[in-house]
Amino acid sequence: DAMVIQNPRYQVTQFGKPVTLSCSQTLNHNVMYWYQQKSSQAPKLLFHYYDKDFNNEADTPDNFQSRRPNTSFCFLDIRSPGLGDAAMYLCATSKGRGGRYNEQFFGPGTRLTVL
Amino acid sequence: GQQLNQSPQSMFIQEGEDVSMNCTSSSIFNTWLWYKQDPGEGPVLLIALYKAGELTSNGRLTAQFGITRKDSFLNISASIPSDVGIYFCAGQPYNNNDMRFGAGTRLTVKP
Repeated sequence: DAMVIQNPRYQVTQFGKPVTLSCSQTLNHNVMYWYQQKSSQAPKLLFHYYDKDFNNEADTPDNFQSRRPNTSFCFLDIRSPGLGDAAMYLCATSKGRGGRYNEQFFGPGTRLTVL
Repeated sequence: GQQLNQSPQSMFIQEGEDVSMNCTSSSIFNTWLWYKQDPGEGPVLLIALYKAGELTSNGRLTAQFGITRKDSFLNISASIPSDVGIYFCAGQPYNNNDMRFGAGTRLTVKP
């Protein structure tokens, strides 16, 4: 089945220790997104890639970076995690941007704990 | 202007009851999506709407794209315990490709 896969599902890191979250997709979608979701809140878009074109949201902290080495994979790097970065991180994909192409399919998420 | 107001914030209902939730905005939207999120999982797409007035069903779920293009509702008929979760609306504004998410409706179904 075509899907969005996130690894690991649970990640524990220490305050200030860099961490990388991984997302892969078998949908062959052009767009990959990273969202941050805190408890009982709506997902908050951090950035997205349209193919190799990186698009950062204006209010995304510099502490958050992303890489997309190929169509299938996208990584979220948190350079110096703070306690406030503890959250669920969701990866999503869509065929494109706009109209029906904008339907976003989410992975199961990675729950990040910062000690 | 392009914020989504989703209500109610939470609902506690008895199994078998019908449920209705909605999303509104002061701006016009081109697309409305409804997602369900189970605890510890990612949101799953339930229904997608693309035309004003469109009414679409997915099993016991029915959603409509408001005629003014500023609102959408989701109905769940004859609720069952596995309907428990958080339901999010998401919309694409007419002048922007970004999706906006509502704050979610937390549904609890008592057997």
